[in-house]
Amino acid sequence: RKEVEQDPGPFNVPEGATVAFNCTYSNSASQSFFWYRQDCRKEPKLLMSVYSSGNEDGRFTAQLNRASQYISLLIRDSKLSDSATYLCVVIRMEYGNKLVFGAGTILRVKS
Amino acid sequence: DGGITQSPKYLFRKEGQNVTLSCEQNLNHDAMYWYRQDPGQGLRLIYYSQIVNDFQKGDIAEGYSVSREKKESFPLTVTSAQKNPTAFYLCASMHRATDTQYFGPGTRLTVL
Repeated sequence: RKEVEQDPGPFNVPEGATVAFNCTYSNSASQSFFWYRQDCRKEPKLLMSVYSSGNEDGRFTAQLNRASQYISLLIRDSKLSDSATYLCVVIRMEYGNKLVFGAGTILRVKS
Repeated sequence: DGGITQSPKYLFRKEGQNVTLSCEQNLNHDAMYWYRQDPGQGLRLIYYSQIVNDFQKGDIAEGYSVSREKKESFPLTVTSAQKNPTAFYLCASMHRATDTQYFGPGTRLTVL
């Protein structure tokens, strides 16, 4: 079983739709969580951190459920420019605080 | 501008050759990381360094080597021992206070 698992998609949605991605992690000692966005053939870029209380940044909302060990990302009012791969990232708590990446969920927003 | 640079952007190598990928950062971050990404897979950690003159193997270090002689620089050598080196290589540095990693633009290595 992979340490961080995501539905690879693709999720094909129309502009203006609301879409949600989930991610599960297996290491219960994980302490920090992030969503990164990666455009085709580009480097990943931080989208948002994920806090236990949940957090929102404009059209994006991230939630963490420690008991069930999953993280979610909700995108409201999808734009064409939201089309990308969304990577779920978990910090493995050991020397060096290494990040563990999910394989990513592909989102395609169509007009 | 502050950031992370990687060079070259594209690199072609013949089998049996060693190649070195450059990574430089001016963010004053102590920690630096090397990942490789293959199609349809997540990033996998090759090596990381928490401070100058110290580095640790990641999950897939075989066939790679690194050095960390300066805080700003963390070059990666892909040796001929790496059996399947064709991949997208990403360098990152970490802001300790937020555990946030920032990535360079990557190097695409192709073995001919």
